[in-house]
Amino acid sequence: ETGVTQSPTHLIKTRGQQVTLRCSSQSGHNTVSWYQQALGQGPQFIFQYYREEENGRGNFPPRFSGLQFPNYSSELNVNALELDDSALYLCASSRRDDGNTIYFGEGSWLTVV
Amino acid sequence: RKEVEQDPGPFNVPEGATVAFNCTYSNSASQSFFWYRQDCRKEPKLLMSVYSSGNEDGRFTAQLNRASQYISLLIRDSKLSDSATYLCVVSGGYQKVTFGIGTKLQVIP
Repeated sequence: ETGVTQSPTHLIKTRGQQVTLRCSSQSGHNTVSWYQQALGQGPQFIFQYYREEENGRGNFPPRFSGLQFPNYSSELNVNALELDDSALYLCASSRRDDGNTIYFGEGSWLTVV
Repeated sequence: RKEVEQDPGPFNVPEGATVAFNCTYSNSASQSFFWYRQDCRKEPKLLMSVYSSGNEDGRFTAQLNRASQYISLLIRDSKLSDSATYLCVVSGGYQKVTFGIGTKLQVIP
């Protein structure tokens, strides 16, 4: 167990809807990163949050947004869902001074129909 | 060219065999390297870090070659439980962690 928890674990949404995914980081970890993993692919970096601010972003459109809260938990929001957004969304936490080692939650499986 | 390249496999090997995976990376400024293991429909889990001096953890040996920009993972005496996808991970700092596509290993009885 990594201590990183995500919710919900599975969900189905309709194209055009909005979704919010949640993540609680491991105790002592102040940095949260989000990844998208499509079937048969490696995880793709979406963005990272540190001290409640976005601290780096991958090649994802603005309809992917996030938040980090004072307790270091985080949300990923995706607006105007598209079929290609169907994927496993992984949250990973790390310590700022050891950001190279990341620990994943079990992920949220999103299916867009 | 992809930042991190791996052969997706699958590698089908008999129990007890030795199998090796390689991974190449394009950014010579990359700082840290890892192997993660991912079971089917599960999250990736850290298997081991990779150092230039090489490091070993039981049946697993990882090696980094900075000059040629590749890392390797060697698994000796393969077990059925080793069947999984092995993800090569390259980090250029806390903001830049890049995963390979993963190499699928199937150990056959």
